[in-house]
Amino acid sequence: DAKTTQPTSMDCAEGRAANLPCNHSTISGNEYVYWYRQIHSQGPQYIIHGLKNNETNEMASLIITEDRKSSTLILPHATLRDTAVYYCIVRVASVLGAGAQKLVFGQGTRLTINP
Amino acid sequence: GAVVSQHPSRVICKSGTSVKIECRSLDFQATTMFWYRQFPKQSLMLMATSNEGSKATYEQGVEKDKFLINHASLTLSTLTVTSAHPEDSSFYICSAPRGRVTDTQYFGPGTRLTVL
Repeated sequence: DAKTTQPTSMDCAEGRAANLPCNHSTISGNEYVYWYRQIHSQGPQYIIHGLKNNETNEMASLIITEDRKSSTLILPHATLRDTAVYYCIVRVASVLGAGAQKLVFGQGTRLTINP
Repeated sequence: GAVVSQHPSRVICKSGTSVKIECRSLDFQATTMFWYRQFPKQSLMLMATSNEGSKATYEQGVEKDKFLINHASLTLSTLTVTSAHPEDSSFYICSAPRGRVTDTQYFGPGTRLTVL
C-alpha cells in the first residue's frame, strides 16, 4: 500500500472549516483514499473514502487532486467533538480479498478544535 | 450503522495469566476480522487477520503462540493473550469490514489490558 504523509498536528477554531491535508504521491491507480479518526481512548471511526472523484457525506467532504497525489479532508463546521487523530490511508479495493482489506495506520494528524 | 462490540472493555491481570478478549459484529456477518494493538501516544499496529473457519494470519513480528486468535463464527473472533507480561499491557482493538468492493471497517471500542 502507498505511504501517506500528514502534518503531525493542526488547530482549528470551533465553527470554522477544518482542512486536513494528506500526501500520497506514490498512490496506484487502483488504490482508494480512506479517512478514519480516533477520539481519545476509543476505537477508530470511518469518515469517508474515494477513488478519483470528490466525495461528500454527512460527516465530511473529501477533495482528491486530479493527479491523485494528494487529498484534503474537510470538516465544514468543526465542533469540539471533532478533536481527534485523523488518519489518511490508501488501500486497494477489498474485493481483492482479506489481505486487501487490511488497514495500515500511519501517525495521523492530531486535530484540536479550540473554543 | 454497523456495530462492533468488545468484551471486556478493561481488564487487569497478574503476570503469567491468560486473558481472552472477545470481538463481536452485532448486526452483520464478518468472515474476516482484524486485531490491532495500540501503545500510549502511538498509532494502531495491525497484529493479525482473523479468518472464519481457518487459521489467523499474523503480521511480521507478532508471536502466534503468544496471541491466540479464534474466529469461531461469522460474528465472533477472540484474542487470547497467553502468559501475559507487563509489556503486553496495551489497548487492543478489533475491526470488522463490511461491504464488497470498497469496504468500511467498523472498529470495536477497544480493550485496555493492564498486566501487573
